[in-house]
Amino acid sequence: GDSVTQMEGPVTLSEEAFLTINCTYTATGYPSLFWYVQYPGEGLQLLLKATKADDKGSNKGFEATYRKETTSFHLEKGSVQVSDSAVYFCALSDQVGFQKLVFGTGTRLLVSP
Amino acid sequence: DAMVIQNPRYQVTQFGKPVTLSCSQTLNHNVMYWYQQKSSQAPKLLFHYYDKDFNNEADTPDNFQSRRPNTSFCFLDIRSPGLGDAAMYLCATRPGGAGDGYTFGSGTRLTVV
Repeated sequence: GDSVTQMEGPVTLSEEAFLTINCTYTATGYPSLFWYVQYPGEGLQLLLKATKADDKGSNKGFEATYRKETTSFHLEKGSVQVSDSAVYFCALSDQVGFQKLVFGTGTRLLVSP
Repeated sequence: DAMVIQNPRYQVTQFGKPVTLSCSQTLNHNVMYWYQQKSSQAPKLLFHYYDKDFNNEADTPDNFQSRRPNTSFCFLDIRSPGLGDAAMYLCATRPGGAGDGYTFGSGTRLTVV
C-alpha cells in the first residue's frame, strides 16, 4: 500500500538557521502531497500542498517541491523562528476515490533563540 | 469563520463506560473523517463518510462506531473504552474534489481511567 517516510527527529536548530525535513513516498497512483503542522496540544493545520510533478507548495516561508523522479517532497525554510517549533507531518492522498490521507511518522522541530 | 469544531477538548471516561465524541463543521464539506492519534505517533484513520456513505478501515476495532446524522455533524462512539484507547481523536473534513486539503478540528484528548 501507499506509504510515507520522514526523517526521524527531533531536529534541533538555532533561530535563523536553514531547515530541511526529508520526506519520500511510495504510491501506486499519482498522489497529492501535503505537509501538516501540529503545535502542542492542537490538531493538524495544513501548511502546504502540491498536486502534480514539479509543483512547488509554499506558505509562511516554507516550501516543498513535488519530485516525481525521486518520489520526494522535502520541506525547507530559509530562516526558522522559535514559533516554528512543532511536529511536521508529511502526507499523501490519492487524487481519486476516497482520498484517504496517509501520514508519515512526524518530525519534531525544536528551535532555540 | 467556517471551521471544524470538536467537543469537548478534553474527555475523561472510566474503563468500560461508553463515551461519545462530537464534531461539527460549518464548511458544508461532503467528506468527514475520524483519526486516532496516540502519543508521538502519526494519525491513523478510523472511518470516513462521503455524504452518507460510511467506510470503515479494515483494522478499526468493533468497539468504535460512528454516526453522521446530517452534513454538519459526525459522532464517534466508543462502546467500552479500554486503557489502550486513550489518544487524541481528530475530526477532519474535505470538500470532495481531487487534491483538496483536509481541514482538521483541534481534537479531543481522551483519557481512560
